[in-house]
Amino acid sequence: AQKITQTQPGMFVQEKEAVTLDCTYDTSDPSYGLFWYKQPSSGEMIFLIYQGSYDQQNATEGRYSLNFQKARKSANLVISASQLGDSAMYFCAMREGFVDSSYKLIFGSGTRLLVRP
Amino acid sequence: NAGVTQTPKFQVLKTGQSMTLQCAQDMNHNSMYWYRQDPGMGLRLIYYSASEGTTDKGEVPNGYNVSRLNKREFSLRLESAAPSQTSVYFCASSEGRSNQPQHFGDGTRLSIL
Repeated sequence: AQKITQTQPGMFVQEKEAVTLDCTYDTSDPSYGLFWYKQPSSGEMIFLIYQGSYDQQNATEGRYSLNFQKARKSANLVISASQLGDSAMYFCAMREGFVDSSYKLIFGSGTRLLVRP
Repeated sequence: NAGVTQTPKFQVLKTGQSMTLQCAQDMNHNSMYWYRQDPGMGLRLIYYSASEGTTDKGEVPNGYNVSRLNKREFSLRLESAAPSQTSVYFCASSEGRSNQPQHFGDGTRLSIL
């Protein structure tokens, strides 16, 4: 069963507008972590933001914020004031392995975001 | 400020050849990981090493072996390459604490003919 689902294969956004990238997850473990990574066309994986399952507030990092809805098992990434440099592939990932301390990540299939000037 | 270094960046192999992908990190991280990324898919875990001296299988281990040479280095070996192993391979490391992200190398683009 797929544990991380990103239902938007591709999205467009106008420069300077906000955009929300969807991510839903499936786990029975009360302790988990959710990460978002950006992969530009150059190929590297860039960490953006983290949300822990016990965190009381939604995570924010600059123009990135997480809309974390625990009951719905969703962790959507919101990018405010989009810039041309935000055009990239975005991956949602969930961390497993709290029991064995491996902290493995399971990745979604990604959303390709294109920012229009 | 190297972080995670992977070598080589590109490689072309013939079916049946063997090769080792190298990975080194200079952040004193305990845990290291090997992923593969196929077109249109997210990263899938091949093998990982939660700490020096230990290795375990991930989601797609068949056809691969790994060695955690020391705390810094974690290599991935393809013993007999197959076209299905054509992919981009990423090495990552993390402190091994729950809220710390994995840091990725720049990837190795591997083509098997």
